[in-house]
Amino acid sequence: GENVEQHPSTLSVQEGDSAVIKCTYSDSASNYFPWYKQELGKGPQLIIDIRSNVGEKKDQRIAVTLNKTAKHFSLHITETQPEDSAVYFCAPAFTGGGNKLTFGTGTQLKVEL
Amino acid sequence: NAGVMQNPRHLVRRRGQEARLRCSPMKGHSHVYWYRQLPEEGLKFMVYLQKENIIDESGMPKERFSAEFPKEGPSILRIQQVVRGDSAAYFCASSPSGGGNNQPQHFGDGTRLSIL
Repeated sequence: GENVEQHPSTLSVQEGDSAVIKCTYSDSASNYFPWYKQELGKGPQLIIDIRSNVGEKKDQRIAVTLNKTAKHFSLHITETQPEDSAVYFCAPAFTGGGNKLTFGTGTQLKVEL
Repeated sequence: NAGVMQNPRHLVRRRGQEARLRCSPMKGHSHVYWYRQLPEEGLKFMVYLQKENIIDESGMPKERFSAEFPKEGPSILRIQQVVRGDSAAYFCASSPSGGGNNQPQHFGDGTRLSIL
């Protein structure tokens, strides 16, 4: 099965700085790469996703980059704000296999004032 | 424009009792996924259903656990004879269609199950 690792497990940044979280996966068949944000007591919220035929995607302050050869993809958050503080999960999937998401272990991001 | 609705939000059961967790997908969504999250961990896939069909139950324990998504009404995750190790947050997600069409999954806020 898919083995997914995230780094770092915790990340503390100053407000306005950038944050980068890296996700490494093992299944070369994976072709869908989403990032989810989970706040305390809530369900995961999809914040950005990318397909395997695209190397980078940006949505305002959030971007995702994909390196299929090296089997990793990264979440980039620029101009961080306190409300960005949450746990972030990557969850690669092979859509031909029913789109079953395999979640990473999560990264606790803390944005300090 | 309601999202994925799960109820109850919190459920307390004694060992040996049954737990029933409900999930109403987003309007227009016909595919439902159940995941389990233990404290300090990521979500783990349990089962994927379409209306009246179980498509993939590879992540669901063979005993005591069952899931259904009837033609009418919510999807139900049922846990019989609960044990302490079943304590977790259970999340439901829905998508308009299945994996072949690359549809993103949208999650509810979960049911927190506690076993006494």
